[in-house]
Amino acid sequence: EAQVTQNPRYLITVTGKKLTVTCSQNMNHEYMSWYRQDPGLGLRQIYYSMNVEVTDKGDVPEGYKVSRKEKRNFPLILESPSPNQTSLYFCASSLSPRHDQPQHFGDGTRLSIL
Amino acid sequence: KQEVTQIPAALSVPEGENLVLNCSFTDSAIYNLQWFRQDPGKGLTSLLLIQSSQREQTSGRLNASLDKSSGRSTLYIAASQPGDSATYLCAVRDSSYKLIFGSGTRLLVRP
Repeated sequence: EAQVTQNPRYLITVTGKKLTVTCSQNMNHEYMSWYRQDPGLGLRQIYYSMNVEVTDKGDVPEGYKVSRKEKRNFPLILESPSPNQTSLYFCASSLSPRHDQPQHFGDGTRLSIL
Repeated sequence: KQEVTQIPAALSVPEGENLVLNCSFTDSAIYNLQWFRQDPGKGLTSLLLIQSSQREQTSGRLNASLDKSSGRSTLYIAASQPGDSATYLCAVRDSSYKLIFGSGTRLLVRP
């Protein structure tokens, strides 16, 4: 089944404790991205990747890192999480942004930073 | 800077009604527009994608239109059902291929 898989789905942690949210897709998609969703602000893009070893900042990259060492995986890293990073996070992928293909989303990761 | 607005923010209708959700965007230079559905605790499911050169797309009881020059799109849902209850999001892909979302319309279809 074609899907985007995020882990963990839920995480409660404390300020400053490094964490990684994994994202994996099995559709051989080139384009992957991370969003955060906050009430009243909608979904905002954090980082995106056009292909392996190519990553770029989205609208709200501060406090986040990503890597794209292989096509299927695009982990989101919070080196020193802070309470303002408490949010619902989504990973998405598509064949390519240059094709009129829909984006496929994971089920989301709810992070709470205390 | 592209901004996407969805009106209304919430909508409650009785089962069987036809309804229209609205989406507007400030910059007409878009690559495409996509409608999504989001269920509580779930990710986004793509419903319809309209290319910039198209006027509408249909899938089952759903019909989405696009008027690029006026910066508007509508999602029409025919004969609504309780299972249609969800949050509906529209997003435009701008000329830099970035996907920009509206805040969504929360729909409740009452049995």
